[in-house]
Amino acid sequence: GAVVSQHPSWVICKSGTSVKIECRSLDFQATTMFWYRQFPKQSLMLMATSNEGSKATYEQGVEKDKFLINHASLTLSTLTVTSAHPEDSSFYICSARDVGGAETEAFFGQGTRLTVV
Amino acid sequence: GQNIDQPTEMTATEGAIVQINCTYQTSGFNGLFWYQQHAGEAPTFLSYNVLDGLEEKGRFSSFLSRSKGYSYLLLKELQMKDSASYLCAVSDSNYQLIWGAGTKLIIKP
Repeated sequence: GAVVSQHPSWVICKSGTSVKIECRSLDFQATTMFWYRQFPKQSLMLMATSNEGSKATYEQGVEKDKFLINHASLTLSTLTVTSAHPEDSSFYICSARDVGGAETEAFFGQGTRLTVV
Repeated sequence: GQNIDQPTEMTATEGAIVQINCTYQTSGFNGLFWYQQHAGEAPTFLSYNVLDGLEEKGRFSSFLSRSKGYSYLLLKELQMKDSASYLCAVSDSNYQLIWGAGTKLIIKP
């Protein structure tokens, strides 16, 4: 299957700082990328959907000024957690789809475990 | 609203067969996916169904009935490594993936 690379795999940062997470589709063009957050023992929670070249669509309750998403090219999307706080500590996962076909599955990155201290 | 239902947790014995059900109510339907997720890892794709019927892939099979809004994932010859969460997701009319909460499968020796 296609490969989605997410970086970094884990990061520890101080409260109040910002953290950028990258998501790259390595062998296909990702017209749509999704960002998820997952707390321990809970399911994936969609944060936002981004289409290349346009503003991201955020889910209800997700602060767009805190979680900045950029999808500048067909192979790269970034999520920046601004002014991070301990409650932002979570597992962040990106996925990418080429929605040229209805049956295209979502390919997931490896996930980023963020710990804010 | 859009809704995906699947059991929270199931337990099965090594070597046995287990069926994980998923029912859905979505605005439009463009296919149903099953993913496996081990703790602390990203989900991995297992199967895709868009037409009614059974899709078999090794020890795993997935079934779909669009008229009933129902799918199941069938796991045969269970192995300890199959202990994981199994996520059902439906692609709606906008190709957005709607996720179920996942079923935690516990395999006992």
